[in-house]
Amino acid sequence: GENVEQHPSTLSVQEGDSAVIKCTYSDSASNYFPWYKQELGKRPQLIIDIRSNVGEKKDQRIAVTLNKTAKHFSLHITETQPEDSAVYFCAARAGGSYIPTFGRGTSLIVHP
Amino acid sequence: DVKVTQSSRYLVKRTGEKVFLECVQDMDHENMFWYRQDPGLGLRLIYFSYDVKMKEKGDIPEGYSVSREKKERFSLILESASTNQTSMYLCASSLSSNQPQHFGDGTRLSIL
Repeated sequence: GENVEQHPSTLSVQEGDSAVIKCTYSDSASNYFPWYKQELGKRPQLIIDIRSNVGEKKDQRIAVTLNKTAKHFSLHITETQPEDSAVYFCAARAGGSYIPTFGRGTSLIVHP
Repeated sequence: DVKVTQSSRYLVKRTGEKVFLECVQDMDHENMFWYRQDPGLGLRLIYFSYDVKMKEKGDIPEGYSVSREKKERFSLILESASTNQTSMYLCASSLSSNQPQHFGDGTRLSIL
């Protein structure tokens, strides 16, 4: 089955810096890659997703890039703000599977 | 907006009890999922269902069962609760396998 590795497990940045979280996947047939943000005590919520026919997608300060050859995808957050502090999860859905496989999460801390 | 409702935010039970966790979604989604979330381990899939009365085991099904008698409701059952099942339990639903998941607020279950 699919295996997703996520790094780093913890990321600490100063307000205004950029943050990058990387995930690698094992199944070359994977075609859907969502990213979720989970604030403390709250539910995970989708912040951005990308499909395998696209190399990059942006939404304001957030972007996701996908490299199918290398089988990795990354979340980029620019001009970080304290409210970006949360746990971020990547996921990959293998072709033909009902279920996404999640990474273990990255705790992002943005210092004011 | 999709709403996924879990019946309890906090629950305390005793070892050996049979425990029911309920989840209801209001968007006619085909797929429903149960995860447990533990620090450092991310989201681990217990069971999922892709249709009424259909269920598939996830990564950690031991000690759990599920029921999906109606499309909108997916129940997780701990047949005989044990202390190692103390955890945060998250329910999710999705329209299809290539669409994002929508999560409930979670049930923090403590087994004493």
